[in-house]
This record gives sequence, structure tokens and C-alpha cells, in this order.
Amino acid sequence: DAGITQSPRHKVTETGTPVTLRCHQTENHRYMYWYRQDPGHGLRLIHYSYGVKDTDKGEVSDGYSVSRSKTEDFLLTLESATSSQTSVYFCAISRVQGYTEAFFGQGTRLTVV
Amino acid sequence: GESVGLHLPTLSVQEGDNSIINCAYSNSASDYFIWYKQESGKGPQFIIDIRSNMDKRQGQRVTVLLNKTVKHLSLQIAATQPGDSAVYFCAENTQGGGSQGNLIFGKGTKLSVKP
Repeated sequence: DAGITQSPRHKVTETGTPVTLRCHQTENHRYMYWYRQDPGHGLRLIHYSYGVKDTDKGEVSDGYSVSRSKTEDFLLTLESATSSQTSVYFCAISRVQGYTEAFFGQGTRLTVV
Repeated sequence: GESVGLHLPTLSVQEGDNSIINCAYSNSASDYFIWYKQESGKGPQFIIDIRSNMDKRQGQRVTVLLNKTVKHLSLQIAATQPGDSAVYFCAENTQGGGSQGNLIFGKGTKLSVKP
């Protein structure tokens, strides 16, 4: 398995509170991604990073921000969590962009109550 | 987890039979395709990929077929086993830079293998 660790694996938080999810990789891959997975929607891209301090929006970026200060870490922040952000969040990494597979972490189940 | 399987098309097969999972992709410019397998409570796992200059590619017990004319992708699993029970996703992207190079996922098909 690719060296990807997501933390925490499970979290319950209250509406309006800030939440940060962490993705750590040991593969030295340039590209890192955050997806959310919901029933009926499959995997949707939130944000991605193409290098340290280089990030861009994905399909469903509203309400989320990201940061990448080191190659190995990619943080996803919900500034003020809402119930619609209850989901399973996956981090993924890839060596290059396009024409290659992405490797996924084990996921973080986030519940906003 | 288990909630991933809700609202998904489901394919139920007998152990030992062959399975065919289909996917219609959306972008005619896509030139790279992947199949992922996701078991309950785990992240998606790469199975096999194919580039648009190919019609067929075989792996161990799996074959991917690509029909660019109708934008259709299929995954064939030979001699399906209980361990193949999972949700299967197709994904597409292009060689283009920027957001074009990001993978776009289909909604998935749940494969259930009966012993």
C-alpha cells in the first residue's frame, strides 16, 4: 500500500466549529488531492495541490480551504462546519498529473451534528 | 463505509461466474481510464488502467475494454470470487495540465458475489 496516512479516521463535530483533516504521505509524490464521497455522488474533488504552497480548487471547493507547507502534508480545513459537510473524506496522491493512477488513503469519516 | 453502497447500481453474480461492470464516460477528450475497487471501510484501490490508443487490456483475472465511439468502458472479472465483492468505480482524465489532468470518477457499481 502507498504510504498515505489520514488523521483523524473518525470525527464528530458540532455545526459552526472549525475542523482540520490531515493527510501525510511518505512517497514524495508531487500531487495531492482531497475528495469527498457521498451516496449517489461518488468521489468528488474538493481541492488539489501540485506542489508546496501550490493549490487549486476542484469541483466542490466551497466551504473548504487547504494548505500545503511541506511535500508530505496536505491539510483540509472546514472553517465553519455545516451538516452538508458530513461525509467521508479521502486523500489521494499521484506522482504526476494525468495519465497515471492516484493512490488513496483509508478515509476520514466526518459527522457534523 | 457501508453508506457508500447506497443508491448504487448493483450487480449480483454467483461465485465462479464472470462479471461485467459497465461505465459510460462523459468527456470525449478523455484519453486515460482507470478502474478502482473499494471495499467497505477502505479507500479506493487501483485495479487496471487503459489509454485511449488501446481497445483492450488484460490483467490478472481482469480485462478492461474501451469503446471510444460510444464512450463506454467495461471491466470484466473472470471466475468471480467472494473477495471481489466491493464497489467498482471507473475514472477518466486527460493528459492536459491544470484541472484537466485530474481524475473524474463515475458513481460506481456495487458487485455482490453469492457463494
